[in-house]
Amino acid sequence: QKEVEQNSGPLSVPEGAIASLNCTYSDRGSQSFFWYRQYSGKSPELIMSIYSNGDKEDGRFTAQLNKASQYVSLLIRDSQPSDSATYLCAVTPLGRTGGFKTIFGAGTRLFVKA
Amino acid sequence: DTGVSQDPRHKITKRGQNVTFRCDPISEHNRLYWYRQTLGQGPEFLTYFQNEAQLEKSRLLSDRFSAERPKGSFSTLEIQRTEQGDSAMYLCASSSGVAEQYFGPGTRLTVT
Repeated sequence: QKEVEQNSGPLSVPEGAIASLNCTYSDRGSQSFFWYRQYSGKSPELIMSIYSNGDKEDGRFTAQLNKASQYVSLLIRDSQPSDSATYLCAVTPLGRTGGFKTIFGAGTRLFVKA
Repeated sequence: DTGVSQDPRHKITKRGQNVTFRCDPISEHNRLYWYRQTLGQGPEFLTYFQNEAQLEKSRLLSDRFSAERPKGSFSTLEIQRTEQGDSAMYLCASSSGVAEQYFGPGTRLTVT
């Protein structure tokens, strides 16, 4: 079992729709959860961080965390063509040194059709 | 705004040569991370530093890889005796404590 799993996609949504991206993780001791956006040929760009159960909203983005189910998701409202990218889920387990090796999923490719 | 910088941005080398990459983190960040990313995969953790101390190193990292952060500021990643399988994007990130990591533009390595 991979430590962080994401559906590779591609996920295709029409412009203006809600895009829903999902991620599961295996380490129950994980403390920190992040979503990054990566355009082709570029480095990852941080979109959201979430540390406690529930929802966290930032503009058009909402991150949702459910530690009991070991599940984290990202919702993108009013999707735009410029949102077309690969979305990476990242999880930081509690390391033996007290911190903190971050594990990334392979990413979900999102296409927003104009 | 001075973000994370990496140098060089591209490196082409012949198999068997040594290469060294540099990363300059955001100035107030005490943690620095190195990752490797290949096409279609997420960044793979290599190692990280808190100030000048290397606190964790991936078991996947062979002895040909070494990283340093001598004064707790910039860091170097050296790959000795490069192999074609080392071709990848090498990413550096920094953070303040255990907070969010911010990535540099990466160094793309091609081993011929």
